[in-house]
Amino acid sequence: DAGVTQSPTHLIKTRGQHVTLRCSPISGHKSVSWYQQVLGQGPQFIFQYYEKEERGRGNFPDRFSARQFPNYSSELNVNALLLGDSALYLCASSLWVESNQPQHFGDGTRLSIL
Amino acid sequence: ILNVEQSPQSLHVQEGDSTNFTCSFPSSNFYALHWYRWETAKSPEALFVMTLNGDEKKKGRISATLNTKEGYSYLYIKGSQPEDSATYLCASWDSGNTPLVFGKGTRLSVIA
Repeated sequence: DAGVTQSPTHLIKTRGQHVTLRCSPISGHKSVSWYQQVLGQGPQFIFQYYEKEERGRGNFPDRFSARQFPNYSSELNVNALLLGDSALYLCASSLWVESNQPQHFGDGTRLSIL
Repeated sequence: ILNVEQSPQSLHVQEGDSTNFTCSFPSSNFYALHWYRWETAKSPEALFVMTLNGDEKKKGRISATLNTKEGYSYLYIKGSQPEDSATYLCASWDSGNTPLVFGKGTRLSVIA
């Protein structure tokens, strides 16, 4: 079975632009979460979606948005990019949204803002 | 805001040594504690999910314990091998709106 797939793997943008990152969960997984990881820090939670509804939102500005599609894939959108948005963006899927479900991570999208 | 602390920040051990590191988390409103291994150029891999006080889990040479009353978890690696070199992340899930809060990780280097 394919794991969690993310695209693109790398992306370079300039300040003020917007970006869309994509994630396909493991087949059968209904929950998708997005995390931002900067060097020296652990992954920081951005959003969680389950059955196409937002189930959790981290402490990120409104420039960050996401959605989940009927096939459970997900997009993360970031508008008005800032230099500080440069990071590795990880997507993780799980069967359900409960706390005892391990997260299955993709390889991430490395976003660089110039 | 939930605060998850891991120590040490980094660790160098010789092949064959046993080692352990610590994850501490707020004990109130505790739901679950996750451990992940993150090797360079790979994606984080789930090791354990623990929910009950006194839980002990084992996978090969790696094991973990959980104390929810005092808010800590230990990860043990017996007979470290070079392939154990990775960053080990713990994450706590509480009853708040933010599902998983990660620590900064412990970076383990095993020297052959």
